[in-house]
Amino acid sequence: EAQVTQNPRYLITVTGKKLTVTCSQNMNHEYMSWYRQDPGLGLRQIYYSMNVEVTDKGDVPEGYKVSRKEKRNFPLILESPSPNQTSLYFCASSLVRGGGTGELFFGEGSRLTVL
Amino acid sequence: GNSVTQMEGPVTLSEEAFLTINCTYTATGYPSLFWYVQYPGEGLQLLLKATKADDKGSNKGFEATYRKETTSFHLEKGSVQVSDSAVYFCALAAGGTSYGKLTFGQGTILTVHP
Repeated sequence: EAQVTQNPRYLITVTGKKLTVTCSQNMNHEYMSWYRQDPGLGLRQIYYSMNVEVTDKGDVPEGYKVSRKEKRNFPLILESPSPNQTSLYFCASSLVRGGGTGELFFGEGSRLTVL
Repeated sequence: GNSVTQMEGPVTLSEEAFLTINCTYTATGYPSLFWYVQYPGEGLQLLLKATKADDKGSNKGFEATYRKETTSFHLEKGSVQVSDSAVYFCALAAGGTSYGKLTFGQGTILTVHP
């Protein structure tokens, strides 16, 4: 089954404790992206990656890091989480070449609370 | 830069009512336009799309027409069901983009009562 898998789905942590949210897709997509969803603000892009070892900042990258060492994985790293990073996070992927239509495939989301 | 503006929500309707959710956009060139839906506890999924002016996207009884002259892509459904209760997002991809670098609106919460 084609899917984007995120872990953990729920996490409560404390300020300053490093954490990683993993994302994996099995569709051989080149493009992967992280969004955060906050009430009244919709989805805002944090980082994206066009392919292995190619990453770039989105609209709200401060406080986050990413890496793309393998095509299928795109982890989101919070080196020193703060309460304003409490949010619902989504990983998404899509094709770039060979039939891409702009459709993004989303994971189920990871709800993060930073105390 | 690109931006998408959706009507303020939430929207509450009775079953079988007519639905319209307004969406307008600002973009250079000729973007592709999308509606995504998010059911409770799930990620977003594509509902419909249109890639050029005057195209109509449709799916599951929902429709939206790409209106370049009014820079709009309003979502409509003639008769909503309780199962349509969800959050709806309008989005655009910059012209010529074949991959998913999308700009999203703020989302509209729809609740349908029996």
